[in-house]
Amino acid sequence: NAGVTQTPKFQVLKTGQSMTLQCAQDMNHNSMYWYRQDPGMGLRLIYYSASEGTTDKGEVPNGYNVSRLNKREFSLRLESAAPSQTSVYFCASSPVPGGNQPQHFGDGTRLSIL
Amino acid sequence: DQQVKQNSPSLSVQEGRISILNCDYTNSMFDYFLWYKKYPAEGPTFLISISSIKDKNEDGRFTVFLNKSAKHLSLHIVPSQPGDSAVYFCAASAGGGSNYKLTFGKGTLLTVNP
Repeated sequence: NAGVTQTPKFQVLKTGQSMTLQCAQDMNHNSMYWYRQDPGMGLRLIYYSASEGTTDKGEVPNGYNVSRLNKREFSLRLESAAPSQTSVYFCASSPVPGGNQPQHFGDGTRLSIL
Repeated sequence: DQQVKQNSPSLSVQEGRISILNCDYTNSMFDYFLWYKKYPAEGPTFLISISSIKDKNEDGRFTVFLNKSAKHLSLHIVPSQPGDSAVYFCAASAGGGSNYKLTFGKGTLLTVNP
């Protein structure tokens, strides 16, 4: 029972390097989301995709880009990594868009930027 | 400014007793609330939700109460089990589901002692 799969699980980058975080879901969900979680903080929405072919900014989009490759896959790209982007990144999906839809989360990517 | 507050960073209870996790919010536009549970090194898992048109929702051992006038909700777990030990996040959304943004609290670490 895969659900939402994120790769890689861990990554260390140097400042200025680029990186793409991958996310795939096998639940035939229409909507997908990227969050970051910092120590002592709740999750904050970076970008979301309400449906295939659409993407929109969330609460903290600066420094990131996304691609909804197809219905299953939603990637997050850091073009020029900065230490402030050290965080745990979670991908999530829901059957349809909406804040009242329970979201299913992956296990996260732990990213450290030196 | 934090719109969703979980003022207790941690809570410890004995197995079999009731666990009560609290959440306060400041945005009167919030109309849907969700609770997520998170184990270490895993993604959050949806637990239970409540719409602002209700004041109580129950699912097995888990009950969520909403007091709109006080802008307060609570999650009750009865009876508590050691497997319930996890971080619990309260989340809220506005706009009847058309707003995709979930605002999360910082979480409460629940420890259930055998």
